[in-house]
Amino acid sequence: DQQVKQNSPSLSVQEGRISILNCDYTNSMFDYFLWYKKYPAEGPTFLISISSIKDKNEDGRFTVFLNKSAKHLSLHIVPSQPGDSAVYFCATARGGYQKVTFGTGTKLQVIP
Amino acid sequence: GAGVSQSPSNKVTEKGKDVELRCDPISGHTALYWYRQSLGQGLEFLIYFQGNSAPDKSGLPSDRFSAERTGGSVSTLTIQRTQQEDSAVYLCASSLAGFGRGSGELFFGEGSRLTVL
Repeated sequence: DQQVKQNSPSLSVQEGRISILNCDYTNSMFDYFLWYKKYPAEGPTFLISISSIKDKNEDGRFTVFLNKSAKHLSLHIVPSQPGDSAVYFCATARGGYQKVTFGTGTKLQVIP
Repeated sequence: GAGVSQSPSNKVTEKGKDVELRCDPISGHTALYWYRQSLGQGLEFLIYFQGNSAPDKSGLPSDRFSAERTGGSVSTLTIQRTQQEDSAVYLCASSLAGFGRGSGELFFGEGSRLTVL
């Protein structure tokens, strides 16, 4: 039972363009959402998060959008850079209970 | 060091042997997680420790898997009678208690790559 789904296993984007990574979840009890980035042979690193009281959070080139009614979140990277090439995981959690559930990941390739 | 430390970084074992994987969380972090990533797969939750509460073991795939956390710090994940399907990268993460702006994020170690021949 995959509660957090990233339906695109890979994405290829030209440098300078926008990258949009998508994530769907099934449990409406989730109220905290995170994106992690993972390079090969390294552990995932935190990128950006959003709580359910917001619908948008921005940090530099990275913006996360949350659509609670659709149980959907997305990560926008603009402009995309070659160093952004990595696997991106979305993750969800319930406030006050810290089990964090990860999606299956999307491999982003930014072409110079 | 200041980060999450895992050992060994690589472990090759024969089918049927037991293995132990160790995780040293960031000092002061009360929550500790184990995940695994099999080839081409996402991050699969295994177990979660929070302070002195009973661990959430709901992700352990079989009774061959167990984990303990001594003194609220170091954790050991033990896999008994390893099988080839146990081959994966085992990732440990820690976090401060409570979610909120800038907190609650998980800090991961670099993982222990387990290969069962």
